[in-house]
Amino acid sequence: DTGVSQNPRHKITKRGQNVTFRCDPISEHNRLYWYRQTLGQGPEFLTYFQNEAQLEKSRLLSDRFSAERPKGSFSTLEIQRTEQGDSAMYLCASSLVSPGDQFFGPGTRLTVL
Amino acid sequence: AQKITQTQPGMFVQEKEAVTLDCTYDTSDPSYGLFWYKQPSSGEMIFLIYQGSYDQQNATEGRYSLNFQKARKSANLVISASQLGDSAMYFCAMREGEGKLIFGQGTELSVKP
Repeated sequence: DTGVSQNPRHKITKRGQNVTFRCDPISEHNRLYWYRQTLGQGPEFLTYFQNEAQLEKSRLLSDRFSAERPKGSFSTLEIQRTEQGDSAMYLCASSLVSPGDQFFGPGTRLTVL
Repeated sequence: AQKITQTQPGMFVQEKEAVTLDCTYDTSDPSYGLFWYKQPSSGEMIFLIYQGSYDQQNATEGRYSLNFQKARKSANLVISASQLGDSAMYFCAMREGEGKLIFGQGTELSVKP
């Protein structure tokens, strides 16, 4: 399978715990994006990387959120001190710089109790 | 600020008929890209079709075509010969600059047998 993969697919955690999600992009794609999607809404941009450089962060990405892409391949998104409002689907996408068509992974569904 | 509007929360179509899903956008950038994604109940965002702002022809991909009316700032998706498997959420999105996508609220399409 050469698509974007995300792990875990589902995560249930208690409020206040830290969680980490992983995204493996399509192998030749140098851009990687994170989005968050809450129920009944379209995805909202969180951040994106070109290779290992984090080029943009949304104001939605509070200081409890951190994303890394240390070797320009896979990326992790960590949420510290989770809150119930963090419950959402976290989507990862990857693309080439050009063309910039973004291909999405299956998402990680986070439930904070 | 860039914005995508999908005014149809839900649509019904009879199997084998064509359906049009509406999308309007707002941007001051002369260079932009417009996308349609399908999101079935499994949650994965599936790329359907892309239209560049400078493309002279309307994009087509199999049963999907994009009715691009630049002066009206609309990018409607037309699905021909609907199939039961087309039942899903459909999102219109615009690429801002070279990076992130801005999504609309989505339209839930139900195909009736």
